[in-house]
Amino acid sequence: EVQLLESGGGLAQPGGSLRLSCAASGFTFSSFVMSWVRQAPGKGLEWVSAISAGGGSTNYADSVKGRFTISRDNSKNTLYLQMNSLRDEDTAVYFCAKDPRSTSTRGVFDFWGQGSLVTVSS
Amino acid sequence: QSALTQPPSASGSPGQSVTISCTGTSSDIGSYNYVSWYQQHPGKAPKLMIYEVTQRPSGVPDRFSGSKSGNTASLTVSGLQAEDEADYYCCSYAGINNYVVFGGGTKLTVL
Repeated sequence: EVQLLESGGGLAQPGGSLRLSCAASGFTFSSFVMSWVRQAPGKGLEWVSAISAGGGSTNYADSVKGRFTISRDNSKNTLYLQMNSLRDEDTAVYFCAKDPRSTSTRGVFDFWGQGSLVTVSS
Repeated sequence: QSALTQPPSASGSPGQSVTISCTGTSSDIGSYNYVSWYQQHPGKAPKLMIYEVTQRPSGVPDRFSGSKSGNTASLTVSGLQAEDEADYYCCSYAGINNYVVFGGGTKLTVL
């Protein structure tokens, strides 16, 4: 059974940093693209970032480019999102999501974690 | 990265059919057959219902179907059931510069 478990969310100040983790199990983690998708309170879904199976290729939404860094450790079956220079508008539940492809995402997310809430506030 | 346009709400009675539209541009829906649809119940993670415009993942009832014409994609739910009441989001690949865009979501109510 595919399982994705996010952790690392919490309260951060504007301009601060936070690192999210997503522990994966139940599939060959190193074979698939992984993404982060977020959802602000009461709002819709927004794709944030994706990383190829091997970790050599990363993509970002314009809203987070230059501030967020996606990475993965295939030996630990874990996906990460380093979030720097946080803004109020980054407040959201952050989901990690598995992609059925290995090279680059096409917006197909076949399994999702339950999400981790990040609140940016002073 | 502009969001795709969905109606905020849709409704139907049990057993009826309802169609939710998703309008994009020639840079996303109009250029690629990578439209997917997600169902989200309150407080839960999204669930993949349709991918590559018309494909259903294993386990998704065949009451759910997808289509596309030009820059607009559609999700049709036939034989509405109470458990279909949820938010539905469309999603499209938008090329190597914009990557992935979502719609704003449609709240489906089963009357």
